[in-house]
Amino acid sequence: AQKITQTQPGMFVQEKEAVTLDCTYDTSDPSYGLFWYKQPSSGEMIFLIYQGSYDQQNATEGRYSLNFQKARKSANLVISASQLGDSAMYFCAMRENRGNDYKLSFGAGTTVTVRA
Amino acid sequence: ETGVTQTPRHLVMGMTNKKSLKCEQHLGHNAMYWYKQSAKKPLELMFVYSLEERVENNSVPSRFSPECPNSSHLFLHLHTLQPEDSALYLCASSPEASGLTGELFFGEGSRLTVL
Repeated sequence: AQKITQTQPGMFVQEKEAVTLDCTYDTSDPSYGLFWYKQPSSGEMIFLIYQGSYDQQNATEGRYSLNFQKARKSANLVISASQLGDSAMYFCAMRENRGNDYKLSFGAGTTVTVRA
Repeated sequence: ETGVTQTPRHLVMGMTNKKSLKCEQHLGHNAMYWYKQSAKKPLELMFVYSLEERVENNSVPSRFSPECPNSSHLFLHLHTLQPEDSALYLCASSPEASGLTGELFFGEGSRLTVL
């Protein structure tokens, strides 16, 4: 079963506007970590933001914020004031607390294109 | 200099060739990873090394052979590959292999094409 689901294969956003990227996850563990990564055309995966399952506050990092809705198992990424350099693939990922489980499970990604 | 460096960036090989991908991390991390990224598929974890010991082999065919001579270097030896092995191979590192909060630091990937 897919652990991370990103339902939006591609999105367009106007420069300076906000965009929300959807991510839902599936786990039975009470303790887990959620990550968002950005992959520009160069190929490198760049870490953006982290949310722990027990964190009370939604994570924020500059223009990135994570809308964490635990009951719905949802961890949407919000990018505010989009810039042309935000055009990239965005991946949601999860790490579960299962002893020594080392796996970071990734979603299929969402392509974001920022228009001038 | 980036934290995680992969070479070569692009590789084209025939099915009978033997080649290797190299990854080097300058972050002092203890864990290193190989991921495979195919078109329109989620990233697939291939191997995990913690302190130079392989701790995860995610049902990867034996034509892929990893090697971790020290905590800074990771290789992926390729032999008798198939065209469906064409993909972007990403190397990553993290401070430790386990733990919920440690993000992975990725290299820019090696784009492999198997003819």
